[in-house]
Amino acid sequence: GAVVSQHPSRVICKSGTSVKIECRSLDFQATTMFWYRQFPKQSLMLMATSNEGSKATYEQGVEKDKFLINHASLTLSTLTVTSAHPEDSSFYICSARERGSSYNEQFFGPGTRLTVL
Amino acid sequence: KNQVEQSPQSLIILEGKNCTLQCNYTVSPFSNLRWYKQDTGRGPVSLTIMTFSENTKSNGRYTATLDADTKQSSLHITASQLSDSASYICVVYGSARQLTFGSGTQLTVLP
Repeated sequence: GAVVSQHPSRVICKSGTSVKIECRSLDFQATTMFWYRQFPKQSLMLMATSNEGSKATYEQGVEKDKFLINHASLTLSTLTVTSAHPEDSSFYICSARERGSSYNEQFFGPGTRLTVL
Repeated sequence: KNQVEQSPQSLIILEGKNCTLQCNYTVSPFSNLRWYKQDTGRGPVSLTIMTFSENTKSNGRYTATLDADTKQSSLHITASQLSDSASYICVVYGSARQLTFGSGTQLTVLP
């Protein structure tokens, strides 16, 4: 149980285009989903927290107009990187927390590798 | 400032050998501590969870310890296998939204 999927697993896009990444909780309802970014040989950095049906909370330094987050249902959150630039190239990982979970455990998705040319 | 420090940064061992990874933390409030394994290009997968009152917990060849007084944790891997090559991340759960990640230990197991 507690499986989180992401799609796509890899995406390559041209500079200036927008890219959407989906995060789904497959077998549980996720009241809260989290988006992380990870650069090579570094640990995960929280970008934003989204609660179903409400606006996302962004961490300091993360541009909300550039990284659009939508958490439209209890099983789906999307991250859209708008007007992507090469410096946005990174590994994006989502996680989901189940409603009523013990110890507030977050289950992580497999990640999406974004490369902006 | 909440921090999680891991050592060593990287480690190379031969297949079949044991190893121990270290994690020191200064996180408040403290809920629990988890060790995750992250394969290259994949998301983290939880190995163990330690709450404040627990000292030792095992999961197969993985054994985690926690000393809440000194705020230290360790992850011991027994009889390493090639598939153990990965990054091992120590994560401290604080409040409901707050996770503090260590920078990870990159383990390489050689045949």
